[in-house]
Amino acid sequence: KAGVTQTPRYLIKTRGQQVTLSCSPISGHRSVSWYQQTPGQGLQFLFEYFSETQRNKGNFPGRFSGRQFSNSRSEMNVSTLELGDSALYLCASSYGLDSGSSYEQYFGPGTRLTVT
Amino acid sequence: AQSVTQLDSHVSVSEGTPVLLRCNYSSSYSPSLFWYVQHPNKGLQLLLKYTSAATLVKGINGFEAEFKKSETSFHLTKPSAHMSDAAEYFCVVTDYGGATIKLIFGTGTLLAVQP
Repeated sequence: KAGVTQTPRYLIKTRGQQVTLSCSPISGHRSVSWYQQTPGQGLQFLFEYFSETQRNKGNFPGRFSGRQFSNSRSEMNVSTLELGDSALYLCASSYGLDSGSSYEQYFGPGTRLTVT
Repeated sequence: AQSVTQLDSHVSVSEGTPVLLRCNYSSSYSPSLFWYVQHPNKGLQLLLKYTSAATLVKGINGFEAEFKKSETSFHLTKPSAHMSDAAEYFCVVTDYGGATIKLIFGTGTLLAVQP
């Protein structure tokens, strides 16, 4: 099976702009989670989508949003970018807790966002 | 609340010597625990998982971890380090919220392997 793919791999944006990141999960996985990784804060949970519904959300401002499509692909959007949004954004997919035991998450390579 | 503490931010070993990366967890219920590895400029790869079956868990690339409830620990070990093991390692506990789960990450341990 193909792994989790994320596009683009690298992005450079200016403060105040908005950005959209894309994630394609492993075939058959219905849950997609997003994480932000920074040197200062480490890995932090952003949100999780399952069957097009956001089921869980971390402690991030409303500028961070996401959605999931019927084919389980997911996008996350960050509006009004700030310098502190510079990070590696990781997407992870899984079958979801509903499936029983197979809830380990598989990560994509990430999108490196730099805000200048 | 669920949390994990990785006791060492940096560990350096010589190639061929044992590796020990320490992790303590805090959980209000029987936890699921994972170790992930991240090589430079790469995503996270699942090394192994504990889900209340055997307390000694074997993973990929010769790594294993032992769940010790009395010590609330889940240390990662490998008998003999290889140069390719140099990476950052994350201990992770799951946080259940209704029908969803999220991963709570430790701060990471950077493993250096000297030739």
